[in-house]
Order: sequence, then C-alpha cells, then structure tokens
Amino acid sequence: EAGVAQSPRYKIIEKRQSVAFWCNPISGHATLYWYQQILGQGPKLLIQFQNNGVVDDSQLPKDRFSAERLKGVDSTLKIQPAKLEDSAVYLCASSLDPDMNTEAFFGQGTRLTVV
Amino acid sequence: AQSVTQPDIHITVSEGASLELRCNYSYGATPYLFWYVQSPGQGLQLLLKYFSGDTLVQGIKGFEAEFKRSQSSFNLRKPSVHWSDAAEYFCAVGFMNRDDKIIFGKGTRLHILP
Repeated sequence: EAGVAQSPRYKIIEKRQSVAFWCNPISGHATLYWYQQILGQGPKLLIQFQNNGVVDDSQLPKDRFSAERLKGVDSTLKIQPAKLEDSAVYLCASSLDPDMNTEAFFGQGTRLTVV
Repeated sequence: AQSVTQPDIHITVSEGASLELRCNYSYGATPYLFWYVQSPGQGLQLLLKYFSGDTLVQGIKGFEAEFKRSQSSFNLRKPSVHWSDAAEYFCAVGFMNRDDKIIFGKGTRLHILP
C-alpha cells in the first residue's frame, strides 16, 4: 500500500516569509499527526487530527502556525511568519483508528530551513 | 505529566557486540510502546511495538524489547550489532486517554565501531 506522502521534501525561505506543507495520509487512516523535529531532538507533536477534528494542538504555536484537515483526508500545515527557530523537519504521520491499536506510519518529512 | 525519557544521548558499541538502549516512561496506566529507527535523511521506521500480552516483543532487523511494568521501562536490545545499525533510535509512547497521542523521547544516537 502507498505510504504517507509529504511535499515538498525541502524548502528554504527567509524569515518572516510564509510556507505551507502538505500531507496525504494512508488511505483509511482516521488519525493524522504533525510533528516538528529539530536537529538533534526527538519529534515533538504539534497537532493531532481525528478525521477532520482537532484532538490535540496544545504544543502548536498558534500565533504563527496553523493546520487544517479538510474532508478528513489531506492536511496542510502553515507557518506565517516564519522564524529562524522554525528550521526543522516537519513529519506527518497517520494511524488507522481511534483505538490506537496500530502504530503511526510516517512520511519522509519536509526539511525547512529558515534563513 | 506524561513523559518519555531516553537517558543516553549517544551510545558507541563495537560491531558484533550486544546493545541495549534504555527507555523509561511516566504514566499512570499501561501505555502503548514503540521503538522507531531513523537513518540520516530518512523517515522514521517502526522496529517493534507493544500493546498487550507477552512482554518480550520481537521486531525487525533482529531487535527485541522487553516491557517491565515495575520499572516503567521498555528497553531495546540486540545481541550482535551490525555496522548498518548505526542510526538514531526513538522510543515512543502512546497514551490511552481521549487524546491517544504519541510522544517521542529525545532519541539515542548509536555509533558502531568497526
């Protein structure tokens, strides 16, 4: 089966610019996650969707980050305006059902460099 | 608060030697437990997972992990490492509450000496 697709793979922007990342989860997966992985650190959960509803966005910097999951399938994560400290790999993951009896499958990520 | 701790940031072992990577969690009930591996420039790949049942879990690439409830630990082991095992290893914990979120440790980078 096809895995989690993310685009773009790489993005370089100047600070104060805006950027958007796209994620297409595995077909049928109800849960979708966005993680931020700063170099040398573990992934940090930014936001979790259950279908098209937000379950947890407690660690999302809402003054500059936003995410949506229209129709409960694809998702976009936006940063506006970007800061230098936003440089990281942004990982999208999906899992099958709300009971969490499956693991999360990860995309290859989008590497963002803010200069 | 829920948390995941990987106490070792870096570990170096010789090729052919045994390996144990430590993971501890803080949670009031039994969580779901995962180990992921991340090679440079690659995505996260699941090595193994524990949901219930036998506390010794076998995974891919010869890895295994043991869930010890009394120690709140889920350490990853391999009897004989290969140079290709050099990577970053992440312990992750899924918490069974209404959020059902997965939290990652900060990772352990494994270096292999020839």
